Parts: sequence; C-alpha cells; structure tokens
Amino acid sequence: AQKITQTQPGMFVQEKEAVTLDCTYDTSDQSYGLFWYKQPSSGEMIFLIYQGSYDEQNATEGRYSLNFQKARKSANLVISASQLGDSAMYFCAMRRPSGGYNKLIFGAGTRLAVHP
Amino acid sequence: DTGVSQDPRHKITKRGQNVTFRCDPISEHNRLYWYRQTLGQGPEFLTYFQNEAQLEKSRLLSDRFSAERPKGSFSTLEIQRTEQGDSAMYLCASSLAFGGRKNTEAFFGQGTRLTVV
Repeated sequence: AQKITQTQPGMFVQEKEAVTLDCTYDTSDQSYGLFWYKQPSSGEMIFLIYQGSYDEQNATEGRYSLNFQKARKSANLVISASQLGDSAMYFCAMRRPSGGYNKLIFGAGTRLAVHP
Repeated sequence: DTGVSQDPRHKITKRGQNVTFRCDPISEHNRLYWYRQTLGQGPEFLTYFQNEAQLEKSRLLSDRFSAERPKGSFSTLEIQRTEQGDSAMYLCASSLAFGGRKNTEAFFGQGTRLTVV
C-alpha cells in the first residue's frame, strides 16, 4: 500500500538557519509525484515544491529545495535561511501517477517552529 | 486571481443534524477535490470531480455524505445525520487538468471546520 511517513512530529530552528524536514514514501509504482505543502494556523494548504519520479535533478523553489533520493525512497524538504513566517505544519504528499489527478496521500506532518 | 473559497469557515452543529458546505474553485480549474483532515493528521482524500462528473469517491465517503458539482463550477458537500466522528476540517482543492507540471498541483481553500456536539 502507498504510504507517506514523516517521523518528526516537531522541529525547531533558529531564524536564518537551514532546516531539513524528513519524508519517506512507499510505493511500487514507477511514476509518481512528490509534493510538500505548508499549512499555517489559518488552515490553507500552500503548495511549496514538486518532484516527479523521473526528474533527474532535485527540485528547487526559492528557499525550498527537495532532496530526492529515489533508491532510499526519501524526499526531504530543505528550507534555507529560515524566517519567522515559516513556522507552520509541513506535509509531504504523493500523487500516482506523476501526471494524474490530485488524489494525494499525505503524511502526518511536521510542526516547524522558527525561533528568533 | 482569487483562490479557492470555502463557506462557512466554521460550523457547529448538533448530532443528527444535516450540514452543507460550499466550495468555489479557482475559475479556470476543471478539477475539484474534497479532503477531510482530523486533528493531528494529514488530509485524506474524499472525492474528485472533473467538470461536473464525480469520477472517484473514497470509501471514507459513507452513504451519509454526498457531493455535487452541478454546473462544473462550485461544489457542495452535504453530511446527513451528523455524528461526532464527523468533526474535522473539510478542505476543498482545485487544479487544472492540463498544462505545465507546475499548473497541475492542487490549490487548497482554507477549509470548513466542523464541530459536532
């Protein structure tokens, strides 16, 4: 069965430092897409970054990068130069196939706290 | 460009009552999704529409739940005879069917938080 595992219930980081949020996934499909979403206290899920299973390079979007290790089935999110506004819940999610509709499987999330 | 809009933002209802939520997707998006998120968990997929056609329903969507998207624009999610276990955040999302890779990600609304007392 397809599954997303986020093993860090909570993380904290000092402002301006980098932080890595872990995500491992389980699927037997060859085609899949991996997403990271941010959920602030307002409740909206905000898209951050996407990695397709056939993409050879790690995805980057501004301060966000995805460390994709296909053999290990991991898709860790790296946030560089953390800001106070980054404090939120972060969810890793998977879509199968990569070009399919957004029936996303989410992990349980990691709560990130950025300290000044 | 307005985002996905959900109404109401909060709903408190007594057990056994019916409730209806509305979702207005991003106007050019032809795909619409409903998810449910319970406390401390990630969202779980409930159902998916392409235009007005409901193409997939999760087994989480019991007979008490019904979703519609009558004209392929806004959608409603109705829960009949609510139970305390229905208390959750109900999230709506929309996306394009075609386009560049970045255009196919789901855009979520702020959700409707349901409390059944």
